[in-house]
Amino acid sequence: GAGVSQSPSNKVTEKGKDVELRCDPISGHTALYWYRQSLGQGLEFLIYFQGNSAPDKSGLPSDRFSAERTGGSVSTLTIQRTQQEDSAVYLCASTRGPETGELFFGEGSRLTVL
Amino acid sequence: AQRVTQPEKLLSVFKGAPVELKCNYSYSGSPELFWYVQYSRQRLQLLLRHISRESIKGFTADLNKGETSFHLKKPFAQEEDSAMYYCAARRFQKLVFGTGTRLLVSP
Repeated sequence: GAGVSQSPSNKVTEKGKDVELRCDPISGHTALYWYRQSLGQGLEFLIYFQGNSAPDKSGLPSDRFSAERTGGSVSTLTIQRTQQEDSAVYLCASTRGPETGELFFGEGSRLTVL
Repeated sequence: AQRVTQPEKLLSVFKGAPVELKCNYSYSGSPELFWYVQYSRQRLQLLLRHISRESIKGFTADLNKGETSFHLKKPFAQEEDSAMYYCAARRFQKLVFGTGTRLLVSP
């Protein structure tokens, strides 16, 4: 596709349920990032994938959060046993590779935990 | 710890006034610095990066290593500049963002 695609665009869930958020990066982009955007917190780094290297998971806030990237393309961010404080917009971004700092962002997935 | 600080949550100016959005970073070594912008109902996108030394939409940003700052400036603000601005720093691929400054330009 022309840009980074994320789904769902909106997700409302009940506390305690698991959710999966999907990201389709730009074709050919080898690096993929997940960020969390919430009011007053700015953009919080979650995880970074680069090619076949081990991901940088240093930003994941708890062990309820996990992400995988299959085949070097599509990525899924999973949040288990959601809590109200998980409510935020989850942004995915991709880049051509590690040498560039220009990230191309998706429109985000807005998660609301009731 | 790696940190990017944007002290102002909101900056409100009148059209034609000068604008300066502040950004300070705390990093070991020499990170790359960026400004990203998010206009209403649009995706977050790159505005400019320090290595390019370019002016985009009239905005410039100078890296001051002594003060560890990378403030974004524009001499005459326009209404269409109203947006959320994020400063970011990168070292070893990980791009860290500040908390953002909302710029409101009134007519």
